[in-house]
Amino acid sequence: AQSVTQPDIHITVSEGASLELRCNYSYGATPYLFWYVQSPGQGLQLLLKYFSGDTLVQGIKGFEAEFKRSQSSFNLRKPSVHWSDAAEYFCAVGANTGFQKLVFGTGTRLLVSP
Amino acid sequence: DAGITQSPRYKITETGRQVTLMCHQTWSHSYMFWYRQDLGHGLRLIYYSAAADITDKGEVPDGYVVSRSKTENFPLTLESATRSQTSVYFCASSESSRGMSPLNYGYTFGSGTRLTVV
Repeated sequence: AQSVTQPDIHITVSEGASLELRCNYSYGATPYLFWYVQSPGQGLQLLLKYFSGDTLVQGIKGFEAEFKRSQSSFNLRKPSVHWSDAAEYFCAVGANTGFQKLVFGTGTRLLVSP
Repeated sequence: DAGITQSPRYKITETGRQVTLMCHQTWSHSYMFWYRQDLGHGLRLIYYSAAADITDKGEVPDGYVVSRSKTENFPLTLESATRSQTSVYFCASSESSRGMSPLNYGYTFGSGTRLTVV
């Protein structure tokens, strides 16, 4: 079964600085990979997804992520963080066989300092 | 309104009571899901449905019941609520098409129901 690890529970970044959120997955083949963002009291919004093709994926709100098969990683990046990016970010992995459910990581809370 | 809506947004109930959380989507998506979100666990799948009258268990189904008599509705029932079921519950939906996984489209989530069992 697939699994996903987000090693950082909290990250604090200064406004205008770059951001990288880590995500490592466990799955035998090429998985479906997703990043979602959750603002306080809200549902989850899809930032970007990857399942084939170019390993650098562009998403909404200026985010991008890179799939690295050799490292089993799908890290989320943004070159310049805005205060409105403060939220919780979830990485999720889906298998490409059987019932293709999404398995979520435990999330990383991003704090943006002025 | 178009989209996926959950009701109620907040619910407090007593241990042992039956509670039903509602989920309604207007896209006619074939797949629907229920997740619970708990600190330190992320989101865990409770039940899912591939179409009307087709449901199956997810990762943490014990104590929950679902039904899907219509494509647009996917209610989740706690038959006898326990304190361990205090959580935030999210419904999600996804379209699919012949030969294409729902994961190709990603899931769209509702705003959640915060349930407290006292």
